[in-house]
Amino acid sequence: GAGVSQSPSNKVTEKGKDVELRCDPISGHTALYWYRQSLGQGLEFLIYFQGNSAPDKSGLPSDRFSAERTGGSVSTLTIQRTQQEDSAVYLCASSLDYGYTFGSGTRLTVV
Amino acid sequence: SQKIEQNSEALNIQEGKTATLTCNYTNYSPAYLQWYRQDPGRGPVFLLLIRENEKEKRKERLKVTFDTTLKQSLFHITASQPADSATYLCALDRGGTSYGKLTFGQGTILTVHP
Repeated sequence: GAGVSQSPSNKVTEKGKDVELRCDPISGHTALYWYRQSLGQGLEFLIYFQGNSAPDKSGLPSDRFSAERTGGSVSTLTIQRTQQEDSAVYLCASSLDYGYTFGSGTRLTVV
Repeated sequence: SQKIEQNSEALNIQEGKTATLTCNYTNYSPAYLQWYRQDPGRGPVFLLLIRENEKEKRKERLKVTFDTTLKQSLFHITASQPADSATYLCALDRGGTSYGKLTFGQGTILTVHP
């Protein structure tokens, strides 16, 4: 597609529930990144996929967070047993060389 | 770990003036430094990249400088317009085996008054 697409744009979930966030990167972009942005905070790196290499998961805050990228394209970020501190905007980006193209994010609210 | 500081959380200037935003880092010198613009409710948009062996890069009304001795990058918007009002983020790429993975600053909120 023309840009990076994320869905849903907004998600309200109850504490303890699992959520899945989806990212459709730009076709042909080999790298895909997940970041999260909390109110008043900078972007926090979560995970990075590059081609067929093993993902860099060094930013995942706990084992409740996981992500996969199927067929080198679409990625899903899963948060299990959500907590209130998981509330944030989750941003996905893709790139081919340098310079990320970001999606508009998924705003997750845990109540 | 790398610590990035962007000058004053907010910067207010008059239309037509030059806005200068600062990005300071404390640890390793990045191989690449990037600047992004973020509007409310949207993801950041890539503006410019400068490499560690480059001193200056320009694009239209934008200019970025990179001083590895001072561990600082300056981002200038000349002839600023109200439409330039946004949050501006600097991001560092360590390069090497970490190439592509960016560490972002907190951002500076720029407001250009008519």
